[in-house]
Amino acid sequence: KQEVTQIPAALSVPEGENLVLNCSFTDSAIYNLQWFRQDPGKGLTSLLLIQSSQREQTSGRLNASLDKSSGRSTLYIAASQPGDSATYLCAVLNSNSGYALNFGKGTSLLVTP
Amino acid sequence: NAGVTQTPKFRILKIGQSMTLQCTQDMNHNYMYWYRQDPGMGLKLIYYSVGAGITDKGEVPNGYNVSRSTTEDFPLRLELAAPSQTSVYFCASRLGTGIIYEQYFGPGTRLTVT
Repeated sequence: KQEVTQIPAALSVPEGENLVLNCSFTDSAIYNLQWFRQDPGKGLTSLLLIQSSQREQTSGRLNASLDKSSGRSTLYIAASQPGDSATYLCAVLNSNSGYALNFGKGTSLLVTP
Repeated sequence: NAGVTQTPKFRILKIGQSMTLQCTQDMNHNYMYWYRQDPGMGLKLIYYSVGAGITDKGEVPNGYNVSRSTTEDFPLRLELAAPSQTSVYFCASRLGTGIIYEQYFGPGTRLTVT
């Protein structure tokens, strides 16, 4: 059974800092990995999707990397802003359960002005 | 496109009551999913469907039922609600089996059972 772990569970940084969120998974036979953002009381917004054959994806100030062999992904946020405050969820796609996602518990990020 | 829509947004149920959570997508996606999210936890799969008329259990199916009579709709039925079913429920969809396809999520239904 795929287990997805996210470290740290919570993170507080001052505005302007660069930061890294970590995600690890136990079964390296993944198809892709998605990073989501969740604001309090809201749904999930997809940030980046990395296919299993890719090493990284970038969108604006966000960069996600994938090392399938070691079962790790990182989400790098450059020049953090208070508007980045949210919970960030990592999810991996395996072939089981109709291509459903396996989620980590998330990292709660607070960026202070 | 409205994407994935869910109704209601909020609901309070008494123990033993039943209800149906509605989910509709207008993207002609074949695959649809129901997840639940408990406080401080990731999402867990309840049921999924790979097409109209085909459904299967996920990780936490007990206490729930689903049907998929059309491509667009994937309702989740709670029978005999219990406090353990207090959670936020998300419906999601994806186009097909290709690894490039993202999952798209609805806004969620926040359910409290008292």
